[in-house]
Amino acid sequence: NAGVTQTPKFRVLKTGQSMTLLCAQDMNHEYMYWYRQDPGMGLRLIHYSVGEGTTAKGEVPDGYNVSRLKKQNFLLGLESAAPSQTSVYFCASRSNLAGGSYEQYFGPGTRLTVT
Amino acid sequence: DAKTTQPTSMDCAEGRAANLPCNHSTISGNEYVYWYRQIHSQGPQYIIHGLKNNETNEMASLIITEDRKSSTLILPHATLRDTAVYYCIVRPLGTGKLIFGQGTTLQVKP
Repeated sequence: NAGVTQTPKFRVLKTGQSMTLLCAQDMNHEYMYWYRQDPGMGLRLIHYSVGEGTTAKGEVPDGYNVSRLKKQNFLLGLESAAPSQTSVYFCASRSNLAGGSYEQYFGPGTRLTVT
Repeated sequence: DAKTTQPTSMDCAEGRAANLPCNHSTISGNEYVYWYRQIHSQGPQYIIHGLKNNETNEMASLIITEDRKSSTLILPHATLRDTAVYYCIVRPLGTGKLIFGQGTTLQVKP
């Protein structure tokens, strides 16, 4: 199993450009999450999904959109990038099996710089 | 959501036990305590979790006080590869969202 993979690993955008980050998991997990991590800080939840076709807002959703058209994929979109969105973006997934640990499995991250 | 308080940083000698404390005095009766760690710029990694009983797995032990207001993560024989930021998290009910604080930076020294 590849676990959780993220594409791309690095990206530089100019202010106002758009892009989509792709997260894929091969563990048949129901729940998927997008976080951002700024230097010296913990992770903050942007959006999450509890199943295919559903999405919900997290702590810091402004400026981002998400889609979960397929169970294994969770896309994070930036419609008009701003320098404040320079960050490392992590995707995670977890099972929703009753009695499970609710352990989240994280991807390796995408490092985004907006100039 | 219950908040957690952790020391900003700690040092530990290689081969010795690392004891990382966490305060979560506002935890609710059915909220779990989770520990994750993040090794330099990688994605966080799950370590262990517990409700009220002490827990042990191949990575660590988790000691939760009887009143559940604090806990300690124990790495029994720390190695240089255990150098990381350790996050203590109280999991809110429902969606299982994790709220990360700033964590404790553990430096294991030779």
